Amino acid sequence: DGGITQSPKYLFRKEGQNVTLSCEQNLNHDAMYWYRQDPGQGLRLIYYSQIVNDFQKGDIAEGYSVSREKKESFPLTVTSAQKNPTAFYLCASSILQGLGTEAFFGQGTRLTVV
Amino acid sequence: SQQGEEDPQALSIQEGENATMNCSYKTSINNLQWYRQNSGRGLVHLILIRSNEREKHSGRLRVTLDTSKKSSSLLITASRAADTASYFCATAFSNDYKLSFGAGTTVTVRA
Repeated sequence: DGGITQSPKYLFRKEGQNVTLSCEQNLNHDAMYWYRQDPGQGLRLIYYSQIVNDFQKGDIAEGYSVSREKKESFPLTVTSAQKNPTAFYLCASSILQGLGTEAFFGQGTRLTVV
Repeated sequence: SQQGEEDPQALSIQEGENATMNCSYKTSINNLQWYRQNSGRGLVHLILIRSNEREKHSGRLRVTLDTSKKSSSLLITASRAADTASYFCATAFSNDYKLSFGAGTTVTVRA
């Protein structure tokens, strides 16, 4: 089945630790995105990538890092510099075509600092 | 800052009624999209309207786009309990594929 997969579904992080969230897609999409969602809030863009080995900061990139070594994969690392990382993280992908196309979302990773 | 802003923040309606929500944005766009999110889940794409279109329909959904007012509306007709969810608009900027979301409208459909 084609789709976008995030893992793990739940993640617990101790203070001062880096953690990496996985996002894989087999849709052959060019663009991939990472968003953060806080309770009752909208989605805020962390990073996005249009091609392999290239990515751009979104609105809240501080304390996060990404890589795009393969078209299918766009992992997000939440570093110890992110002071309030507890949130729901969503990954998405889309085709880059003309005036744009729909984005497909994974089911999210809920990160909690313990 | 978020590009799109939805209005109202929350909406409660009776089953069978129509639900209307609005989205305003600030800069030129390639397209505007509407998504639904059930609690604790990922987002599901509902409909995309391009900057050169004014109205689109999909089943019980009707979306309008007014680029002169930088606004869009989503109408859900004959609502059902299963329509209870949060609805978000997202904008893709001109000359960029950055996809930015608003804060959403939470819709509750009462049986």
